[in-house]
Amino acid sequence: QLQLQESGPGLVKPSETLSLTCTVSGVSVSSMSYYWGWIRMPPGKGLECIGSISYSGNTFSNPSLKSRVTISLDTSKNQVSLKLNSVTAADTAVYYCARRGGYCSGSNCYSRDWFDPWGPGTLVTVSS
Amino acid sequence: QSALTQPASVSGSPGQSTTISCTGTSNDVVTYNQVSWYQYHPGKAPKLIIHDVTNRPSGVSDRFSGSKSGNTASLTISGLQAEDEADYYCSSYASSTVVFGGGTRLTVL
Repeated sequence: QLQLQESGPGLVKPSETLSLTCTVSGVSVSSMSYYWGWIRMPPGKGLECIGSISYSGNTFSNPSLKSRVTISLDTSKNQVSLKLNSVTAADTAVYYCARRGGYCSGSNCYSRDWFDPWGPGTLVTVSS
Repeated sequence: QSALTQPASVSGSPGQSTTISCTGTSNDVVTYNQVSWYQYHPGKAPKLIIHDVTNRPSGVSDRFSGSKSGNTASLTISGLQAEDEADYYCSSYASSTVVFGGGTRLTVL
């Protein structure tokens, strides 16, 4: 059974870098056709896709966050990492990692729009 | 990248049906048959209930159904139950990334 669990500091100072890790169990993060995503929900607001990474390390980021976002795989630990730099109070949110849908046709693989399952989420507050 | 447009709230009585709309653009909903819906109970992780416009994941009640016409996708919940009271979010593929709607609060009267 595929399970995901986010972890990282719950408090980050303004202008610093937010770093989160998603530990995946039940499948290798580098398994063909698997994609992984980060989504956040600011307090009182809706969901926002931060970005995704494929099993082979190709990344896709929200254009509004792209310059500040780094998403990577650590295959030795079976983890997906998120780094968001130069944070402000607007980055305060519950951060979720999730499996993003994907499929392969021959040697070509493609991502889908859906996310399932999700981790339980972790609240990150940006404050001095 | 603009969010998809959803009504802020809808309501219905137990046993009735209700529909939530999700309006997009040619950059997302119109071009791609990849619209998903999520049910969100505060404090929990969002739950995927519809993907690829009309498909229900295993274990999701058949009271949930999805459709799309032009730039608008819809989620219909039939036979409303108290446990359906939640926030609902739509999403769409949009050129390698994903765009979400602003969310709709469903109240079961």
